[in-house]
Amino acid sequence: GENVEQHPSTLSVQEGDSAVIKCTYSDSASNYFPWYKQELGKRPQLIIDIRSNVGEKKDQRIAVTLNKTAKHFSLHITETQPEDSAVYFCAASRYGTGRRALTFGSGTRLQVQP
Amino acid sequence: DAGITQSPRHKVTETGTPVTLRCHQTENHRYMYWYRQDPGHGLRLIHYSYGVKDTDKGEVSDGYSVSRSKTEDFLLTLESATSSQTSVYFCAIREATNEKLFFGSGTQLSVL
Repeated sequence: GENVEQHPSTLSVQEGDSAVIKCTYSDSASNYFPWYKQELGKRPQLIIDIRSNVGEKKDQRIAVTLNKTAKHFSLHITETQPEDSAVYFCAASRYGTGRRALTFGSGTRLQVQP
Repeated sequence: DAGITQSPRHKVTETGTPVTLRCHQTENHRYMYWYRQDPGHGLRLIHYSYGVKDTDKGEVSDGYSVSRSKTEDFLLTLESATSSQTSVYFCAIREATNEKLFFGSGTQLSVL
């Protein structure tokens, strides 16, 4: 099955700096890569996703890049703000191919220092 | 919240007792999932369902069973709870037209 590894496990940045979280996946057939944000005590919520036919996707201050050859994808947050502090999870799955479920990385705790 | 309700929100139980967690959805989604969340492990898939009476195992299914007798309800049962099953359990639904997963609020389960 799919295996997703995520780094770093914790990340501390100063407000206004950029943050980058990286994930690698093992199944070359995976083609859907979402990112979830989980605030303390809350449910994970989807913040951005990308499919393998696209190399990069942006939504305001967040962006995701995908390198299919290397089987890794990254989340980029620019101009970080204290409200970006949360745990972020990457995930992977095979979109549109039979029975499937998201496989998640182990999470990155991002702390934005004011 | 995609119309997902999990119950109970918190539960404390003793080792060896059976426990059932409920996930209820109001939007007639076909695909439903149970994940557990533990520090350092992220979210791990326990079981999932593709419709009424159609379920499949995930990567950490040992010690758990599920049932889906109605579209709106997906039940997770710990047959004989162990301390290693202390965790936060999240139910999720997936929309039919895309891969987006929406989570319920979670159930904090403590097995003493």
